[in-house]
Amino acid sequence: NAGVMQNPRHLVRRRGQEARLRCSPMKGHSHVYWYRQLPEEGLKFMVYLQKENIIDESGMPKERFSAEFPKEGPSILRIQQVVRGDSAAYFCASRRAGLADNEQFFGPGTRLTVL
Amino acid sequence: SQKIEQNSEALNIQEGKTATLTCNYTNYSPAYLQWYRQDPGRGPVFLLLIRENEKEKRKERLKVTFDTTLKQSLFHITASQPADSATYLCARRGNRDDKIIFGKGTRLHILP
Repeated sequence: NAGVMQNPRHLVRRRGQEARLRCSPMKGHSHVYWYRQLPEEGLKFMVYLQKENIIDESGMPKERFSAEFPKEGPSILRIQQVVRGDSAAYFCASRRAGLADNEQFFGPGTRLTVL
Repeated sequence: SQKIEQNSEALNIQEGKTATLTCNYTNYSPAYLQWYRQDPGRGPVFLLLIRENEKEKRKERLKVTFDTTLKQSLFHITASQPADSATYLCARRGNRDDKIIFGKGTRLHILP
């Protein structure tokens, strides 16, 4: 049973380009979370999605950032017109349906570098 | 707002000794606290969860306590080994929130 998969593992973009980060949850998991970890900072919640629905996006910047979790395929975190401050590690976590305190399993992260 | 505070300075412990990490929280007690391990270049790995009505939880060489009076959780690793070297994250979820709020983590170095 594969764990949470994220790709790419490393992504380099120039300022103004778009970044697309993908997350495939564990098999049977229908809840996905995205977190961002800035250098020397803790992980910060960005967005929580279930299939085809955004449940909580309170941690996501209002502009340039969007997330989706379609019925088929991976969850996508999209950052438009990237800036240097977007450089960070982005982690995805998934859990199965049921109680909210079901364990969240984290992926290896995507390290985004904006030049 | 809810905060999770961990001593961000690195902690150096001699191999074989017990390592103790501290996590403090503000405002009302969370329904539970969680501890994760994070190695460089990797995602966090869940270790233990302790509920506010539990004083102590153990798992092999790991022990976690939850003191709602002090608003503090302690994380202990007994008989520490160099392989225990990592960053340890304390995290909480509120009674209604589903997201996890993490502390900045404490880097632990077990010296051989």
